[in-house]
Amino acid sequence: AQSVTQPDIHITVSEGASLELRCNYSYGATPYLFWYVQSPGQGLQLLLKYFSGDTLVQGIKGFEAEFKRSQSSFNLRKPSVHWSDAAEYFCAVFANDMRFGAGTRLTVKP
Amino acid sequence: DAEITQSPRHKITETGRQVTLACHQTWNHNNMFWYRQDLGHGLRLIHYSYGVQDTNKGEVSDGYSVSRSNTEDLPLTLESAASSQTSVYFCASSYRDGRQDTQYFGPGTRLTVL
Repeated sequence: AQSVTQPDIHITVSEGASLELRCNYSYGATPYLFWYVQSPGQGLQLLLKYFSGDTLVQGIKGFEAEFKRSQSSFNLRKPSVHWSDAAEYFCAVFANDMRFGAGTRLTVKP
Repeated sequence: DAEITQSPRHKITETGRQVTLACHQTWNHNNMFWYRQDLGHGLRLIHYSYGVQDTNKGEVSDGYSVSRSNTEDLPLTLESAASSQTSVYFCASSYRDGRQDTQYFGPGTRLTVL
Protein backbone atom coordinates (compact mmCIF):
# COMPACT_ATOMS: atom_id res chain seq x y z
CA ALA A 1 0.00 0.00 0.00
CA GLN A 2 1.07 3.54 -0.57
CA SER A 3 2.46 5.62 2.29
CA VAL A 4 3.32 9.24 2.96
CA THR A 5 6.05 10.68 5.17
CA GLN A 6 6.25 14.24 6.39
CA PRO A 7 9.65 14.39 8.09
CA ASP A 8 9.06 17.64 9.96
CA ILE A 9 6.56 17.54 12.81
CA HIS A 10 6.85 21.23 13.59
CA ILE A 11 8.38 24.15 11.70
CA THR A 12 8.73 27.76 12.82
CA VAL A 13 9.39 30.55 10.34
CA SER A 14 9.38 34.32 10.58
CA GLU A 15 6.68 36.27 8.84
CA GLY A 16 7.87 37.22 5.37
CA ALA A 17 10.36 34.37 5.17
CA SER A 18 10.13 31.58 2.62
CA LEU A 19 8.68 28.20 3.49
CA GLU A 20 9.23 24.65 2.31
CA LEU A 21 7.35 21.70 3.79
CA ARG A 22 8.62 18.29 2.84
CA CYS A 23 6.60 15.30 1.69
CA ASN A 24 7.86 11.92 0.52
CA TYR A 25 5.70 9.11 -0.71
CA SER A 26 6.10 5.43 -1.36
CA TYR A 27 4.21 3.93 -4.28
CA GLY A 28 5.16 1.86 -7.32
CA ALA A 29 3.65 4.15 -9.93
CA THR A 30 2.90 7.86 -10.04
CA PRO A 31 0.20 8.50 -7.48
CA TYR A 32 -2.19 11.38 -7.20
CA LEU A 33 -0.79 13.89 -4.72
CA PHE A 34 -2.47 16.50 -2.58
CA TRP A 35 -1.66 19.13 0.03
CA TYR A 36 -4.33 20.11 2.55
CA VAL A 37 -4.29 22.74 5.28
CA GLN A 38 -6.12 22.54 8.59
CA SER A 39 -6.68 25.53 10.84
CA PRO A 40 -7.34 24.85 14.54
CA GLY A 41 -10.76 23.30 15.13
CA GLN A 42 -11.51 23.18 11.43
CA GLY A 43 -11.76 20.59 8.71
CA LEU A 44 -9.22 20.23 5.93
CA GLN A 45 -9.03 22.55 2.94
CA LEU A 46 -7.35 21.61 -0.32
CA LEU A 47 -4.36 23.77 -1.23
CA LEU A 48 -3.34 22.05 -4.44
CA LYS A 49 -3.16 18.71 -6.21
CA TYR A 50 -1.04 16.94 -8.82
CA PHE A 51 -2.31 14.29 -11.21
CA SER A 52 -0.10 14.62 -14.30
CA GLY A 53 1.54 17.16 -16.60
CA ASP A 54 3.53 20.11 -15.37
CA THR A 55 5.39 19.06 -12.24
CA LEU A 56 5.13 22.52 -10.68
CA VAL A 57 1.61 23.01 -9.39
CA GLN A 58 0.10 26.29 -8.28
CA GLY A 59 -2.45 26.36 -5.51
CA ILE A 60 -4.49 28.75 -3.46
CA LYS A 61 -3.12 31.30 -0.98
CA GLY A 62 0.14 31.66 -2.92
CA PHE A 63 1.31 28.08 -2.36
CA GLU A 64 3.00 25.88 -4.93
CA ALA A 65 4.36 22.36 -4.93
CA GLU A 66 6.81 20.50 -7.11
CA PHE A 67 6.54 16.82 -7.95
CA LYS A 68 9.94 15.14 -8.28
CA ARG A 69 9.59 11.57 -9.42
CA SER A 70 13.28 10.75 -8.92
CA GLN A 71 13.03 11.75 -5.26
CA SER A 72 9.47 10.54 -4.65
CA SER A 73 8.76 13.96 -3.25
CA PHE A 74 6.04 16.56 -3.42
CA ASN A 75 7.28 19.51 -1.38
CA LEU A 76 5.10 22.52 -0.64
CA ARG A 77 6.54 26.02 -0.94
CA LYS A 78 5.57 29.60 -0.37
CA PRO A 79 7.91 32.54 -1.09
CA SER A 80 6.69 34.79 1.75
CA VAL A 81 4.77 33.47 4.73
CA HIS A 82 1.95 35.43 6.35
CA TRP A 83 0.86 35.11 9.96
CA SER A 84 -2.45 33.64 8.76
CA ASP A 85 -0.56 30.67 7.28
CA ALA A 86 -0.03 29.23 10.76
CA ALA A 87 -1.83 25.88 10.64
CA GLU A 88 -1.31 22.15 10.22
CA TYR A 89 -0.38 20.96 6.75
CA PHE A 90 -1.04 17.48 5.43
CA CYS A 91 0.35 15.79 2.38
CA ALA A 92 -1.78 12.98 0.95
CA VAL A 93 -1.46 10.38 -1.76
CA PHE A 94 -4.27 8.59 -3.53
CA ALA A 95 -3.54 5.25 -5.14
CA ASN A 96 -6.01 2.60 -3.99
CA ASP A 97 -7.36 4.90 -1.31
CA MET A 98 -6.31 8.14 0.33
CA ARG A 99 -3.36 8.06 2.72
CA PHE A 100 -2.31 11.10 4.70
CA GLY A 101 1.00 12.03 6.25
CA ALA A 102 1.16 12.74 9.97
CA GLY A 103 1.17 16.47 9.33
CA THR A 104 3.52 19.40 9.83
CA ARG A 105 2.52 22.14 12.22
CA LEU A 106 3.60 25.59 11.05
CA THR A 107 4.20 28.39 13.52
CA VAL A 108 4.78 31.90 12.19
CA LYS A 109 6.84 34.33 14.26
CA PRO A 110 6.06 38.05 14.01
CA ASP B 1 -24.70 26.81 -0.77
CA ALA B 2 -23.87 23.14 -0.93
CA GLU B 3 -22.02 21.84 2.07
CA ILE B 4 -21.05 18.88 4.20
CA THR B 5 -22.13 18.78 7.83
CA GLN B 6 -21.37 16.52 10.74
CA SER B 7 -23.31 16.00 13.94
CA PRO B 8 -22.84 16.10 16.79
CA ARG B 9 -19.74 18.30 16.88
CA HIS B 10 -18.81 16.99 20.31
CA LYS B 11 -19.82 13.73 21.97
CA ILE B 12 -18.91 12.09 25.25
CA THR B 13 -19.91 8.48 25.76
CA GLU B 14 -19.08 5.50 27.91
CA THR B 15 -17.21 2.35 27.05
CA GLY B 16 -19.46 -0.30 25.53
CA ARG B 17 -22.16 2.03 24.27
CA GLN B 18 -23.20 2.21 20.64
CA VAL B 19 -22.55 5.59 19.05
CA THR B 20 -23.56 6.92 15.66
CA LEU B 21 -21.95 9.94 14.03
CA ALA B 22 -23.86 11.62 11.25
CA CYS B 23 -22.50 12.99 7.99
CA HIS B 24 -24.69 14.81 5.47
CA GLN B 25 -23.66 16.41 2.18
CA THR B 26 -25.74 18.46 -0.20
CA TRP B 27 -23.41 18.33 -3.21
CA ASN B 28 -24.94 15.12 -4.57
CA HIS B 29 -21.47 13.56 -4.46
CA ASN B 30 -21.21 9.85 -5.19
CA ASN B 31 -18.26 9.24 -2.91
CA MET B 32 -18.14 9.63 0.85
CA PHE B 33 -15.40 8.86 3.35
CA TRP B 34 -14.84 8.64 7.10
CA TYR B 35 -11.47 9.38 8.69
CA ARG B 36 -10.17 9.59 12.20
CA GLN B 37 -7.47 12.04 13.19
CA ASP B 38 -5.05 11.28 16.00
CA LEU B 39 -1.90 13.08 17.03
CA GLY B 40 1.09 11.71 15.20
CA HIS B 41 -0.99 9.73 12.72
CA GLY B 42 -2.57 12.34 10.52
CA LEU B 43 -5.87 11.15 9.09
CA ARG B 44 -6.59 7.47 8.67
CA LEU B 45 -9.37 6.10 6.51
CA ILE B 46 -12.05 4.12 8.34
CA HIS B 47 -14.69 3.35 5.71
CA TYR B 48 -15.73 4.72 2.36
CA SER B 49 -18.56 4.48 -0.12
CA TYR B 50 -18.65 5.01 -3.87
CA GLY B 51 -22.42 5.06 -4.12
CA VAL B 52 -25.71 3.98 -2.59
CA GLN B 53 -25.52 0.49 -1.08
CA ASP B 54 -21.74 0.45 -1.59
CA THR B 55 -19.40 0.35 1.43
CA ASN B 56 -15.72 -0.52 1.74
CA LYS B 57 -13.29 -0.97 4.59
CA GLY B 58 -10.41 1.39 5.00
CA GLU B 59 -7.14 1.21 6.85
CA VAL B 60 -8.64 1.19 10.39
CA SER B 61 -12.14 -0.27 10.07
CA ASP B 62 -12.26 -2.62 13.08
CA GLY B 63 -15.00 -1.61 15.51
CA TYR B 64 -16.75 0.67 13.00
CA SER B 65 -19.52 0.19 10.46
CA VAL B 66 -21.26 2.34 7.85
CA SER B 67 -24.32 2.07 5.67
CA ARG B 68 -25.29 4.08 2.61
CA SER B 69 -29.03 4.15 1.99
CA ASN B 70 -29.06 7.42 0.05
CA THR B 71 -26.62 9.75 -1.69
CA GLU B 72 -26.56 12.44 0.98
CA ASP B 73 -25.77 10.50 4.15
CA LEU B 74 -23.07 8.15 5.45
CA PRO B 75 -23.53 7.54 9.18
CA LEU B 76 -20.62 6.00 11.08
CA THR B 77 -21.49 3.58 13.90
CA LEU B 78 -19.24 2.46 16.71
CA GLU B 79 -20.84 -0.81 17.74
CA SER B 80 -19.31 -0.91 21.22
CA ALA B 81 -17.27 2.18 21.94
CA ALA B 82 -13.76 1.71 23.31
CA SER B 83 -11.37 4.25 24.82
CA SER B 84 -9.05 3.70 21.85
CA GLN B 85 -11.76 5.23 19.67
CA THR B 86 -11.45 8.61 21.37
CA SER B 87 -10.52 10.77 18.42
CA VAL B 88 -11.64 13.49 16.04
CA TYR B 89 -13.69 12.10 13.18
CA PHE B 90 -13.91 13.73 9.76
CA CYS B 91 -16.32 12.99 7.00
CA ALA B 92 -15.47 13.88 3.40
CA SER B 93 -17.10 13.62 0.00
CA SER B 94 -16.04 13.78 -3.63
CA TYR B 95 -17.87 13.70 -6.93
CA ARG B 96 -16.01 11.55 -9.38
CA ASP B 97 -13.72 8.61 -8.97
CA GLY B 98 -11.88 9.45 -5.76
CA ARG B 99 -8.59 8.82 -7.50
CA GLN B 100 -8.71 12.13 -9.27
CA ASP B 101 -11.19 14.25 -7.47
CA THR B 102 -10.88 16.64 -4.59
CA GLN B 103 -12.29 15.51 -1.26
CA TYR B 104 -14.26 18.11 0.67
CA PHE B 105 -14.18 17.77 4.41
CA GLY B 106 -16.73 18.40 7.10
CA PRO B 107 -15.89 20.31 10.31
CA GLY B 108 -15.26 17.18 12.38
CA THR B 109 -16.75 15.46 15.43
CA ARG B 110 -14.74 15.22 18.60
CA LEU B 111 -15.59 11.94 20.34
CA THR B 112 -14.50 11.09 23.86
CA VAL B 113 -15.02 7.57 25.18
CA LEU B 114 -14.73 7.34 28.97
